[in-house]
Amino acid sequence: DTGVSQDPRHKITKRGQNVTFRCDPISEHNRLYWYRQTLGQGPEFLTYFQNEAQLEKSRLLSDRFSAERPKGSFSTLEIQRTEQGDSAMYLCASSLIGLAGVPIFQETQYFGPGTRLLVL
Amino acid sequence: AQSVTQLGSHVSVSEGALVLLRCNYSSSVPPYLFWYVQYPNQGLQLLLKYTTGATLVKGINGFEAEFKKSETSFHLTKPSAHMSDAAEYFCAVSGGNNNDMRFGAGTRLTVKP
Repeated sequence: DTGVSQDPRHKITKRGQNVTFRCDPISEHNRLYWYRQTLGQGPEFLTYFQNEAQLEKSRLLSDRFSAERPKGSFSTLEIQRTEQGDSAMYLCASSLIGLAGVPIFQETQYFGPGTRLLVL
Repeated sequence: AQSVTQLGSHVSVSEGALVLLRCNYSSSVPPYLFWYVQYPNQGLQLLLKYTTGATLVKGINGFEAEFKKSETSFHLTKPSAHMSDAAEYFCAVSGGNNNDMRFGAGTRLTVKP
């Protein structure tokens, strides 16, 4: 178990450019979450996947944001036409639910180290 | 809908002193409550969680928290602070599905020698 990994750890880009982040969850975890964390705030939910299906998107996720998890393993989060307000830490978390006999409230999210984005 | 308020964005204690980080929640359904810790340049690590059953929950690193429904609180405590406890602590609440988890703004704990 190598934990949740995210790449890159840091990204500096110019306003208007597109950026893509990758998250590799813990092997065999079927849920994957994306959060955004701005300075001095707690993480805010963006979206989540169960296997390859994207089940919910927050209103924070504007049309410029898109997330995929094509094979139910790793996920990508793309931001198009970045704005200075997109500067934040983007966190990924994964969990395993749905095993026979395991209630949903036993779910624990394991977080990656995050990708820090700075838009100039 | 769920929400969390963490009282005090910064808490400073001396090494060996009691740690008390306050968290009050609001939830329209029975809440599931969590405390996470975040060290610099790292992701969040689960300290402990309350789902059902015993209201006093013990976690890692000597931390514990008590769910008090009448006070809508879930304060985090540790009897004796260590230097290694210096970090950012986040309280979170969900309604049972973790896709509705809501985090507080965090409390930065400083431990003085």
